[in-house]
Amino acid sequence: QPVLTQSSSASASLGSSVKLTCTLSSGHSSYIIAWHQQQPGKAPRYLMKLEGSGSYNKGSGVPDRFSGSSSGADRYLTISNLQSEDEADYYCETWDSNTQVFGGGTKLTVL
Amino acid sequence: QLQLQESGPGLVKPSETLSLTCTVSGGSISSSSYYWGWIRQPPGKGLEWIGSIYYSGSTYYNPSLKSRVTISVDTSKNQFSLKLSSVTAADTAVYYCARRTRAGGIDYWGQGTLVTVSS
Repeated sequence: QPVLTQSSSASASLGSSVKLTCTLSSGHSSYIIAWHQQQPGKAPRYLMKLEGSGSYNKGSGVPDRFSGSSSGADRYLTISNLQSEDEADYYCETWDSNTQVFGGGTKLTVL
Repeated sequence: QLQLQESGPGLVKPSETLSLTCTVSGGSISSSSYYWGWIRQPPGKGLEWIGSIYYSGSTYYNPSLKSRVTISVDTSKNQFSLKLSSVTAADTAVYYCARRTRAGGIDYWGQGTLVTVSS
């Protein structure tokens, strides 16, 4: 089954941009993933589905500041014009015929 | 707007069975386009997929939990349920129910419910 690897933490300044990475394990580089945001004390929220081609579809109400891209086995979430409310944990998720897998999550700090 | 709501005891004794129900509103659990699943998050840790069910009753479980997990669906009540047997303190977590699309990942989450395993 696929494995997803994320950096444990990231930081960026208010108003700047940040690019978070989720890497698929060997043999799974074509897999589609989803990105989720979890603000402190809240349930996760679906952000987008991201394909290996770089094509992505965002959930309802997700700001334009959030975008996705891909390169090989890497899937990226870029947040532009960082706001204080973007400080959260970000998880990637993937699946195959009968399993689902989450990455370990990246804690984003907005400075 | 689809909503998912978890319900069940917040405290379970060690060795007993944890039971939770997810009530779906604003959409039908019988749609062929979706799976319905459970995910948990121990305090301060990441997300762990527990298992999923299709409206037909087909189930898929995390291999690490498979021997203790049962997920079932009640289409007449638009609900699905989780049973986790022989619980220990390691099963203390916030439990989320969620909807996953057949072509993609989770697109709706419940608000989560904290279950503590303690005597």
